[in-house]
Amino acid sequence: SAVISQKPSRDICQRGTSLTIQCQVDSQVTMMFWYRQQPGQSLTLIATANQGSEATYESGFVIDKFPISRPNLTFSTLTVSNMSPEDSSIYLCSVEADSSTYNEQFFGPGTRLTVL
Amino acid sequence: GDSVTQMEGPVTLSEEAFLTINCTYTATGYPSLFWYVQYPGEGLQLLLKATKADDKGSNKGFEATYRKETTSFHLEKGSVQVSDSAVYFCAVPPQGGSEKLVFGKGTKLTVNP
Repeated sequence: SAVISQKPSRDICQRGTSLTIQCQVDSQVTMMFWYRQQPGQSLTLIATANQGSEATYESGFVIDKFPISRPNLTFSTLTVSNMSPEDSSIYLCSVEADSSTYNEQFFGPGTRLTVL
Repeated sequence: GDSVTQMEGPVTLSEEAFLTINCTYTATGYPSLFWYVQYPGEGLQLLLKATKADDKGSNKGFEATYRKETTSFHLEKGSVQVSDSAVYFCAVPPQGGSEKLVFGKGTKLTVNP
């Protein structure tokens, strides 16, 4: 299984600022995913990030608000831009396990964001 | 429509009680099915999975059987422990298939001593 780390683990930010979350994997992976988990809620997929191409965003999420980088096969960043209190959530990255187990994903520990 | 419908909680049980958390799905073909667990303050961990009809996934005393005829993947444990207190998520690929996963709403389980 892949080992995934995220930085920061948590942060408290002021309204109107931006935060960049890093996701590092200990092996090369093709697909990385970014999720949002609002307080007491389930996971909602923000976007899928493949190396060498633009991220694919889900309905309701746009690149201007959540720009994503994927510079190589082990790393990705998600930026939460122009934050408001409604952006307070846990942000999780995940990776596809491997091609033999379709759809299985491993998750990072999450970044707990509070926007004041 | 939703790809996965999960029994909502919260569920509160005493230690050693029997647990069932229902999950039904809609899908084309024969997708892999998953249960994930989120312990307090942590990220998601894969609990178990099943990749084809009639498969039984199992881990840590939990089981779930892939029922194609009823499109269900209910999670069960015969005797829960306090350490099982967590939020449990059923997950399936979206209808039409893709590399993505759609998660159920989650069921918060609290086990009291």
